[in-house]
Amino acid sequence: SAVISQKPSRDICQRGTSLTIQCQVDSQVTMMFWYRQQPGQSLTLIATANQGSEATYESGFVIDKFPISRPNLTFSTLTVSNMSPEDSSIYLCSVLEQVGQNTFGSGTRLTVV
Amino acid sequence: DQQVKQNSPSLSVQEGRISILNCDYTNSMFDYFLWYKKYPAEGPTFLISISSIKDKNEDGRFTVFLNKSAKHLSLHIVPSQPGDSAVYFCAASETGNTGKLIFGQGTTLQVKP
Repeated sequence: SAVISQKPSRDICQRGTSLTIQCQVDSQVTMMFWYRQQPGQSLTLIATANQGSEATYESGFVIDKFPISRPNLTFSTLTVSNMSPEDSSIYLCSVLEQVGQNTFGSGTRLTVV
Repeated sequence: DQQVKQNSPSLSVQEGRISILNCDYTNSMFDYFLWYKKYPAEGPTFLISISSIKDKNEDGRFTVFLNKSAKHLSLHIVPSQPGDSAVYFCAASETGNTGKLIFGQGTTLQVKP
């Protein structure tokens, strides 16, 4: 299966600042996704990162807050902008390898103070 | 509105016995169901999936059963091992190969030696 590397693995950030999370895949994939897991909660899809076009955001998530780039078929970034403590979560990159199998990166644990 | 539900927050079983993790869903249009295992500070690891046109899929110690009429699926782990102790997430894939997943809340499994 695909190997997904996420950077950074964790960070502590001041409120009001922004953090960009990188996701690198060891093979070309068409579909990449960004998820969030808030403390004690399940995983929630933020957006689908489309290569060559704008990301598609789920209800409750907006581009101004979570801008996404997808410059090629192996790389994507998610920026968490103007952070507040409520943004403290684990952010996860995922790829669709084949129907019925999505692979996840190891995640970025973000704490906003 | 929770489309995928795992009603048991935790489960404790003895090593060597069977672990049964349950999941219910409300949307009859889901086409794939997936199970993931997650350790703290790691991303979810794909375990097994099942297509909505099947009622059983088996992979080693893991078997997933799907009851479409009841909108219910279960993951059986036999025999359970202490290394299986983790949080297990059920997820459903929307029809149309979008790759988007909707997750349940997770069940924490503890396997006692």
